[in-house]
Amino acid sequence: GAGVSQSPSNKVTEKGKDVELRCDPISGHTALYWYRQSLGQGLEFLIYFQGNSAPDKSGLPSDRFSAERTGGSVSTLTIQRTQQEDSAVYLCASSLDTVSYEQYFGPGTRLTVT
Amino acid sequence: SQQGEEDPQALSIQEGENATMNCSYKTSINNLQWYRQNSGRGLVHLILIRSNEREKHSGRLRVTLDTSKKSSSLLITASRAADTASYFCAVRPYNDYKLSFGAGTTVTVRA
Repeated sequence: GAGVSQSPSNKVTEKGKDVELRCDPISGHTALYWYRQSLGQGLEFLIYFQGNSAPDKSGLPSDRFSAERTGGSVSTLTIQRTQQEDSAVYLCASSLDTVSYEQYFGPGTRLTVT
Repeated sequence: SQQGEEDPQALSIQEGENATMNCSYKTSINNLQWYRQNSGRGLVHLILIRSNEREKHSGRLRVTLDTSKKSSSLLITASRAADTASYFCAVRPYNDYKLSFGAGTTVTVRA
């Protein structure tokens, strides 16, 4: 596709349920990032994938959060036992490499935990 | 931790005026990038300026970088209503692949 796509665009879930958020990066981009943005705030780094290397999970806020990237392309961010503080917009971005290039962002998934 | 910090937090200008916002950071950088976000959704990349560059232009956008002061500025000339958005600077520290975003400057352009 032409850009980074994310699904769903909106997700409302009950506290305690698990959710999966999907990201399709731009074809050929080796680096993929997940961020979280709370209302009126900047972006909080969550996790980074680069090629076949082990992901950098240093930004994940708790062990309820996990992510996978299958075949070096599509990525899924999973939040288990969701809490109200998980409510935010989850943004995915990809870039051609990790050193110099700009990141291309998807439209995000707005997660609301009730 | 937040590296880029934008100033001001909010800016309201008349259409046709120029808008200037600043970004300060704390560490040595590989590059600094500016992004725009409309309606709280996906960010759009505007300009990337490398640590050995001092100024870059793209259309009505002008970015400067002063590594001695660890600061950057974004100037939007002849603003339009469509420029209404939040603008974020993102710092890529030297030898680190992670971008660190500030909290952004919200720009409102009044018709």
